[in-house]
Amino acid sequence: LAKTTQPISMDSYEGQEVNITCSHNNIATNDYITWYQQFPSQGPRFIIQGYKTKVTNEVASLFIPADRKSSTLSLPRVSLSDTAVYYCSSRNSGYALNFGKGTSLLVTP
Amino acid sequence: SAVISQKPSRDICQRGTSLTIQCQVDSQVTMMFWYRQQPGQSLTLIATANQGSEATYESGFVIDKFPISRPNLTFSTLTVSNMSPEDSSIYLCSVEVRTRGTDTQYFGPGTRLTVL
Repeated sequence: LAKTTQPISMDSYEGQEVNITCSHNNIATNDYITWYQQFPSQGPRFIIQGYKTKVTNEVASLFIPADRKSSTLSLPRVSLSDTAVYYCSSRNSGYALNFGKGTSLLVTP
Repeated sequence: SAVISQKPSRDICQRGTSLTIQCQVDSQVTMMFWYRQQPGQSLTLIATANQGSEATYESGFVIDKFPISRPNLTFSTLTVSNMSPEDSSIYLCSVEVRTRGTDTQYFGPGTRLTVL
């Protein structure tokens, strides 16, 4: 399984853009990269998933360089409610997720 | 996506007893997984619940301790047997759903287990 590494914590002010980078140096050819958000006492919530280049949805953007050894989750204009733990994971279809240790994001006024 | 429910949402159990956790999804899915999340930690895969056959367990997890059933494509159970305080964790089920040609995993709300 590809090992994912991400910062333990990050701080941001409301309204700023937050970029969280995850490294996955030995990602397999068929692995997707998926990011989840988790609030205390809740299950992880799917944010975004991609294979390469850039993916954007109504919540976030995901940037994956050509070598796919890293990925960056971009959260535009964060609010206090974005305070949560963000997990980077890699996986192939039909297989379980390989989670990183998570990045604890604190958004303050 | 998929709507996933788990029962119970939380429980407090005595050492040596067993607890069965149920996972129900609102659509038929092929792949279901069970994870454990210890306090302040990331998620660790326990097993893949296969419909019609035995579950596939990860290293460090055994069937006698965590028996799993998967009677159909919308339901699975995980039993935590002969519990000890070290089993205190959040237990999560997840399902794989195909959306717009891509497989994505979605999680249930989790079951918070405390063993005294």
